[in-house]
Amino acid sequence: GENVEQHPSTLSVQEGDSAVIKCTYSDSASNYFPWYKQELGKRPQLIIDIRSNVGEKKDQRIAVTLNKTAKHFSLHITETQPEDSAVYFCAASIRGNTPLVFGKGTRLSVIA
Amino acid sequence: GAVVSQHPSRVICKSGTSVKIECRSLDFQATTMFWYRQFPKQSLMLMATSNEGSKATYEQGVEKDKFLINHASLTLSTLTVTSAHPEDSSFYICSARPRTNSYEQYFGPGTRLTVT
Repeated sequence: GENVEQHPSTLSVQEGDSAVIKCTYSDSASNYFPWYKQELGKRPQLIIDIRSNVGEKKDQRIAVTLNKTAKHFSLHITETQPEDSAVYFCAASIRGNTPLVFGKGTRLSVIA
Repeated sequence: GAVVSQHPSRVICKSGTSVKIECRSLDFQATTMFWYRQFPKQSLMLMATSNEGSKATYEQGVEKDKFLINHASLTLSTLTVTSAHPEDSSFYICSARPRTNSYEQYFGPGTRLTVT
């Protein structure tokens, strides 16, 4: 089955700097790659996603890149703010009834 | 749109009792719902996939007789933790996949279960 690896497990950046989180996946059939932000005790919230027919997607300060050949995808957050501090999860799935497989998460701390 | 609710949000029960958690898609129909468990500072671990009108598919290591899942309608799935033990204490989160969109999953707010 699908296996998703996520790095780093923790990341501290200064406010205004960029943060990059990387994930790799194992199943070449996976074609949907969302990123979630989770605050303590709350549900994961989708912040951006990418499908396998594109290589990059951007939404304001957040961007995701996908390299299908290498089977890895990355989250880029620019101009980080303290409110970006949270745990971020990457995931992968195949369209249809298959579930999302999550990475282990990255705890991002943005220091003011 | 795409709102998923869970009830209760928190529950404390005694060891040996059973607890039922409801997951509802409020404004869409979901042919597939998923149940996850999340221990502190860990990732979401899939427990089972629930398809409306059929038996749930459990992940390896998840006891189907202990975690009973019922997906009786296109908007409701329930998870019953039977004979709960302290090690079952966790954050249980459901998600629903809309019928019209086979990519995204929408998560419920989660249920914090504490077994004493």
